[in-house]
Amino acid sequence: KAGVTQTPRYLIKTRGQQVTLSCSPISGHRSVSWYQQTPGQGLQFLFEYFSETQRNKGNFPGRFSGRQFSNSRSEMNVSTLELGDSALYLCASSLGAARSYEQYFGPGTRLTVT
Amino acid sequence: AQKITQTQPGMFVQEKEAVTLDCTYDTSDPSYGLFWYKQPSSGEMIFLIYQGSYDQQNATEGRYSLNFQKARKSANLVISASQLGDSAMYFCAIKGTSGSRLTFGEGTQLTVNP
Repeated sequence: KAGVTQTPRYLIKTRGQQVTLSCSPISGHRSVSWYQQTPGQGLQFLFEYFSETQRNKGNFPGRFSGRQFSNSRSEMNVSTLELGDSALYLCASSLGAARSYEQYFGPGTRLTVT
Repeated sequence: AQKITQTQPGMFVQEKEAVTLDCTYDTSDPSYGLFWYKQPSSGEMIFLIYQGSYDQQNATEGRYSLNFQKARKSANLVISASQLGDSAMYFCAIKGTSGSRLTFGEGTQLTVNP
């Protein structure tokens, strides 16, 4: 069974640009959650998508958005990049059921904004 | 709202010895799950162990066990027979009943010395 994949693994962008990150969950998993990890703020929840609908949202500005496709693959987009957006972006895949304990992460996308 | 507190920023242990990483939590959800993840320097979050709030027994997975004390709201991770490859950052996380959202602690950096 293939694990969670994230593309690209590394990305360098300039302030003001936009970026799109992709996450493919484990086969059969319908929930994809996104997290931002920085040295100063730690791991922070961005949003969760379940069956193509945003089910939960963290406390991030509207520049951060996402979507999920019918095959459960998810993308997140960050517009008008700021230096503070430099981070490791992790996605997690799960069945999405309330009592599900499966939460598996991808390798992450390391974004550097210059 | 949920909160995880990990009070040990860094821990050191000798190879082959056991080590306990502390985690306390706070939640208003009647049902919740507690997770431990390992994050090596590569950045990937590796799932280690899960404990459900209504599980009668403490969870175990190979060399990992979870010392779950519900009344004290603690979920400490015990690693037996430490190995050099156990050197990494360890995160405790909690999931409530609202979707798949995880709330993480600040992490404990474990160093295993030969």
